[in-house]
Amino acid sequence: EDKVVQSPLSLVVHEGDTVTLNCSYEVTNFRSLLWYKQEKKAPTFLFMLTSSGIEKKSGRLSSILDKKELFSILNITATQTGDSAVYLCAVHDRGSTLGRLYFGRGTQLTVWP
Amino acid sequence: DTEVTQTPKHLVMGMTNKKSLKCEQHMGHRAMYWYKQKAKKPPELMFVYSYEKLSINESVPSRFSPECPNSSLLNLHLHALQPEDSALYLCASSQDRGETGVTGNTIYFGEGSWLTVV
Repeated sequence: EDKVVQSPLSLVVHEGDTVTLNCSYEVTNFRSLLWYKQEKKAPTFLFMLTSSGIEKKSGRLSSILDKKELFSILNITATQTGDSAVYLCAVHDRGSTLGRLYFGRGTQLTVWP
Repeated sequence: DTEVTQTPKHLVMGMTNKKSLKCEQHMGHRAMYWYKQKAKKPPELMFVYSYEKLSINESVPSRFSPECPNSSLLNLHLHALQPEDSALYLCASSQDRGETGVTGNTIYFGEGSWLTVV
């Protein structure tokens, strides 16, 4: 059973659109939630969220965490073709000293010109 | 500098070959990871080293053998692999400050090594 569920699994939009990607999770000992962008290579770190209600922002990307409802969203405004990628959500479980990182299956975002 | 360097970027090997993947980081991180990623799937954890000791082995077959020579280096030795082992192998690192280091939880990935077993 997946501990981290992302939706939608894929999304096709046109340049300039705004998109919202969802990530819900169920881990016993939540430590942090991370968003990554993956093109045809390794995941690139975007955000780490640990506290509810505090928005993290980087340019056109922003993300927020709701620890009560156990989800996070990643917003991308004014999308560009370069935003096309798989966006991975991962949750760090503090179950051990080191903890484990559980990945969702990702959202494939395609931005058409 | 948040760089994790992996070599080689591409590797083609036969099922009887012995090869190694290498990973290096100079961020002072004390936790290093190997992940395997198949096409259109999320990364799957293989091994975790903490302070140069193997702390997690996710029931990986013995044809994959990790090694951590020092705190900056992580190797993955490959022997007698199968075609289904073809995948992107990702190395990652994190500070590993334990319970008190919230900001140390960020895990940084290398660019990966594309492995093809023929």
